[in-house]
Amino acid sequence: DAGVIQSPRHEVTEMGQEVTLRCKPISGHNSLFWYRQTMMRGLELLIYFNNNVPIDDSGMPEDRFSAKMPNASFSTLKIQPSEPRDSAVYFCASSTATYEQYFGPGTRLTVT
Amino acid sequence: KQEVTQIPAALSVPEGENLVLNCSFTDSAIYNLQWFRQDPGKGLTSLLLIQSSQREQTSGRLNASLDKSSGRSTLYIAASQPGDSATYLCAVMGTGGFKTIFGAGTRLFVKA
Repeated sequence: DAGVIQSPRHEVTEMGQEVTLRCKPISGHNSLFWYRQTMMRGLELLIYFNNNVPIDDSGMPEDRFSAKMPNASFSTLKIQPSEPRDSAVYFCASSTATYEQYFGPGTRLTVT
Repeated sequence: KQEVTQIPAALSVPEGENLVLNCSFTDSAIYNLQWFRQDPGKGLTSLLLIQSSQREQTSGRLNASLDKSSGRSTLYIAASQPGDSATYLCAVMGTGGFKTIFGAGTRLFVKA
């Protein structure tokens, strides 16, 4: 299996622009997680889906953040408008029925 | 609210030494605990998953234990090698909605 796929790997954008991060989970996994990693706050769970349905989005920092999972093989995390403090590495992970999580390589976002 | 603490924050050992990394959590109502390693600038690699009903898991030179009642897990690495140098993270998944909380990690350096 190819593992969790994320795109783009790097994104540099200007403050105020819309940013869309993409994730393709491992085939057959029924749960998907979005995380953000920064030096100051470590790894934080933003939102997770089970069978394409958002279960808990309490980690989403503001209304500027939104996530969708239109089908079992694709999810997006959107930031609109972006701000410099959104700069971080964003990870997507998918899990098996036992909730063992497998991480993608991450998207490094820089907002100037 | 679940809190996850990892001690020590950093560790430097000579090659060949056996070592123990610690992870503690405040809420014993967990679904599972997962250990990961992260190399600089990379994603997370799953090492071991321990379900709440299990006491330990082993993979090669790695052994992870879980004591839910005391809120502790340890990752034992036998005969450490320079290639083991990385940051080791533990993640606790709760039973109420399966939210995952990460520790800040232990940065390990194994000297040749």
